[in-house]
Amino acid sequence: GAVVSQHPSRVICKSGTSVKIECRSLDFQATTMFWYRQFPKQSLMLMATSNEGSKATYEQGVEKDKFLINHASLTLSTLTVTSAHPEDSSFYICSASPPGQGSGNTIYFGEGSWLTVV
Amino acid sequence: AQTVTQSQPEMSVQEAETVTLSCTYDTSESDYYLFWYKQPPSRQMILVIRQEAYKQQNATENRFSVNFQKAAKSFSLKISDSQLGDAAMYFCAYRIGPYNQGGKLIFGQGTELSVKP
Repeated sequence: GAVVSQHPSRVICKSGTSVKIECRSLDFQATTMFWYRQFPKQSLMLMATSNEGSKATYEQGVEKDKFLINHASLTLSTLTVTSAHPEDSSFYICSASPPGQGSGNTIYFGEGSWLTVV
Repeated sequence: AQTVTQSQPEMSVQEAETVTLSCTYDTSESDYYLFWYKQPPSRQMILVIRQEAYKQQNATENRFSVNFQKAAKSFSLKISDSQLGDAAMYFCAYRIGPYNQGGKLIFGQGTELSVKP
């Protein structure tokens, strides 16, 4: 079964509203999770690193005020797209790794979330 | 900064034949991890194979194997006895550190593989 789960898998929201996407690690605690964005027929682009108990680290060019990331517990990270616009429509996917030695070798992805802003 | 390049946007292979997908990368690190992921239409990311740079032996997983050329910074994926279910987008990825903070990946552009019956 899935060890990293995302919810919702699909969401449609109106332009100007905010939408929250959850990423949960089911079988392990993750102090760090990662959020990626994928446009149709394109690659995954790293958006930010979600750090439990501290601020997220955003990649260059990613608006931190638009894409709010909260990592309030060791099993949950949330991505909130604020004041969404049609150009924010995309596929968002998270990943996490179990802690411990060599943890970076084992990377689990969530199922992804399709966001459509109308 | 690390980069990953896949120069083949699309590839096609006949069922039961062999196909090789290319990937090159750039890094100044000496120890790192490389991955090939498969992404079917469902968009789920599926790990195909993983290579640790300090290991000289090429990784193999059933019908999937890699040709890892560290000096040339090349990491190609060979799929033998191609099956219809292999049709998908394939991404080459480089894991960037630090290793005790999870697995952050840099992805190549992807190669869309089609398998002809």
